[in-house]
Amino acid sequence: NAGVTQTPKFRVLKTGQSMTLLCAQDMNHEYMYWYRQDPGMGLRLIHYSVGEGTTAKGEVPDGYNVSRLKKQNFLLGLESAAPSQTSVYFCASSPWTSGRAEQPDTQYFGPGTRLTVL
Amino acid sequence: AQTVTQSQPEMSVQEAETVTLSCTYDTSESNYYLFWYKQPPSRQMILVIRQEAYKQQNATENRFSVNFQKAAKSFSLKISDSQLGDTAMYFCAFGTMSPLHGGSQGNLIFGKGTKLSVKP
Repeated sequence: NAGVTQTPKFRVLKTGQSMTLLCAQDMNHEYMYWYRQDPGMGLRLIHYSVGEGTTAKGEVPDGYNVSRLKKQNFLLGLESAAPSQTSVYFCASSPWTSGRAEQPDTQYFGPGTRLTVL
Repeated sequence: AQTVTQSQPEMSVQEAETVTLSCTYDTSESNYYLFWYKQPPSRQMILVIRQEAYKQQNATENRFSVNFQKAAKSFSLKISDSQLGDTAMYFCAFGTMSPLHGGSQGNLIFGKGTKLSVKP
């Protein structure tokens, strides 16, 4: 049980290049998220998914696209990288819990990807 | 919109002593979760403790406990018997239900963090 994994761990891009970050989870979680973390900031949500085939925008979606073709994978794409997208990217997943009120449960995070755009 | 505020950018504590990290939040939701995450230099986000808003009892997890004041919208973290391995950034986070299920966002809203240093 690897939990949440992210590929790659580090990447350097030139302005205008494209790339895809891969997040995979083996916990059969319904929800998956992409966050970015910048110095002096907490994590900010880019996009999220509440199930296979569904995605939704978060707080800072511009310049990013996502896809969730399989339940266990959540891809984050940068079509034309900009220096402002230099950041650490975290993927997270959470189960769908039916308790007193159905809602997402604890989020489990991957190790992060450090992306530098020159 | 929900907001989370951590008013202490940095704190330090002597090993074996107790420290309290502050967190306040603003929301109109009635049903939500609150979390404290730890981020050591390894960068990994590690769940420390969580609190369901509908529970009046404060959550505890070994040396970690919270003081949840719902009316005041306050959620502080107390670390007892501090250890060198507790040195990390600590993030307070607020979570609600997805809009697809009646909530407002579904993701976590994070504070900017408190950098805790435990000194020998």
